[in-house]
Amino acid sequence: AQSVTQPDIHITVSEGASLELRCNYSYGATPYLFWYVQSPGQGLQLLLKYFSGDTLVQGIKGFEAEFKRSQSSFNLRKPSVHWSDAAEYFCAVGAHNTNAGKSTFGDGTTLTVKP
Amino acid sequence: DAMVIQNPRYQVTQFGKPVTLSCSQTLNHNVMYWYQQKSSQAPKLLFHYYDKDFNNEADTPDNFQSRRPNTSFCFLDIRSPGLGDAAMYLCATSREAGGDIRYFGAGTRLSVL
Repeated sequence: AQSVTQPDIHITVSEGASLELRCNYSYGATPYLFWYVQSPGQGLQLLLKYFSGDTLVQGIKGFEAEFKRSQSSFNLRKPSVHWSDAAEYFCAVGAHNTNAGKSTFGDGTTLTVKP
Repeated sequence: DAMVIQNPRYQVTQFGKPVTLSCSQTLNHNVMYWYQQKSSQAPKLLFHYYDKDFNNEADTPDNFQSRRPNTSFCFLDIRSPGLGDAAMYLCATSREAGGDIRYFGAGTRLSVL
């Protein structure tokens, strides 16, 4: 069964500092991987995805993530955080089998940005 | 323009009084999902429709039902809401199931008094 672990429940960074949010997954083959962001009281918005090909993927809002098969990781990074990046971030893994029906979400990491 | 629209954004109901949440989409996607999300937790999938084919998660209580009368609309019915059902309910769509990208609505915050 597929699973996702986000080891950090809460991270605080200063505005302008770099950011890395960790995500580890368990899946039997090459997974589809996603990062979503959720602002308070809102739905989830896709930041970026990995399906295949280049293991470094670029997303919206200046985010990027790197797929590392050997480490079963898909960490999210941003070189300089803005106050508006404060939100909840969810990593998700999906199956290639289109009948599988669901993606599995991690429990999320809450990002706080200090002025 | 919003592509997945949930109404209402906030819903207050009484303990045991049936309530219906609405979701519509303009993406013409095959799949529509309902998730329950409690504070500081990951979204929990309740069920999904692939076209007209209903797929219930094994641990979704019988109290939760869903209807999809056409491609664009999907409803979540809670037959007898309990205090534990107070949560954010998220609707999402995808072109295909499995690993496809989910497009989420803004959610409906349900309160049970």
